[in-house]
Amino acid sequence: GAVVSQHPSRVICKSGTSVKIECRSLDFQATTMFWYRQFPKQSLMLMATSNEGSKATYEQGVEKDKFLINHASLTLSTLTVTSAHPEDSSFYICSASGQADSYEQYFGPGTRLTVT
Amino acid sequence: SQQGEEDPQALSIQEGENATMNCSYKTSINNLQWYRQNSGRGLVHLILIRSNEREKHSGRLRVTLDTSKKSSSLLITASRAADTASYFCATDAGNQFYFGTGTSLTVIP
Repeated sequence: GAVVSQHPSRVICKSGTSVKIECRSLDFQATTMFWYRQFPKQSLMLMATSNEGSKATYEQGVEKDKFLINHASLTLSTLTVTSAHPEDSSFYICSASGQADSYEQYFGPGTRLTVT
Repeated sequence: SQQGEEDPQALSIQEGENATMNCSYKTSINNLQWYRQNSGRGLVHLILIRSNEREKHSGRLRVTLDTSKKSSSLLITASRAADTASYFCATDAGNQFYFGTGTSLTVIP
């Protein structure tokens, strides 16, 4: 199956700093990428949908100025957590889809963010 | 391979009928979750059932969990055309989070 990578897999940062997480589709062109966050023992929550070359669509309650998403190419999307706070500590997962009207979605391994 | 496996892979029913989807997994889990995905859209969380729970309801959704058989089922009652989507189970084993392959549900008006 298709491979999606995330970098870094784990990051610890100080409160107030910004963190960038990369999501790459390694063997296919991802027209759409999705970003999720997961708190411990809870479900995945969709944060935003990112289409290559256009602005991301954010879910209700997600601050777009805090979670900056860039999908500049068909193989790379980035999520930047700006001015991170301890409550932003979470597991962030991306997924990628190669077709706009497809159910197929390939998940990255996730990034564990800890803000101290 | 992913831990969650669902069956059937595809299901087509008439509006008003009930739809049942099953999920099997391999190892011990903390909880199991069901998600829905409309074509081209992200996953939307439906319901979470913890390992010490056996049944949970949410509106027209009923989820069961049998940890001895390592299986779960999702029942959608009185289905509607708008329920047409793919449904995924996901298992949370603490250190890992696995999605199943999904069941594609089509509800015919």
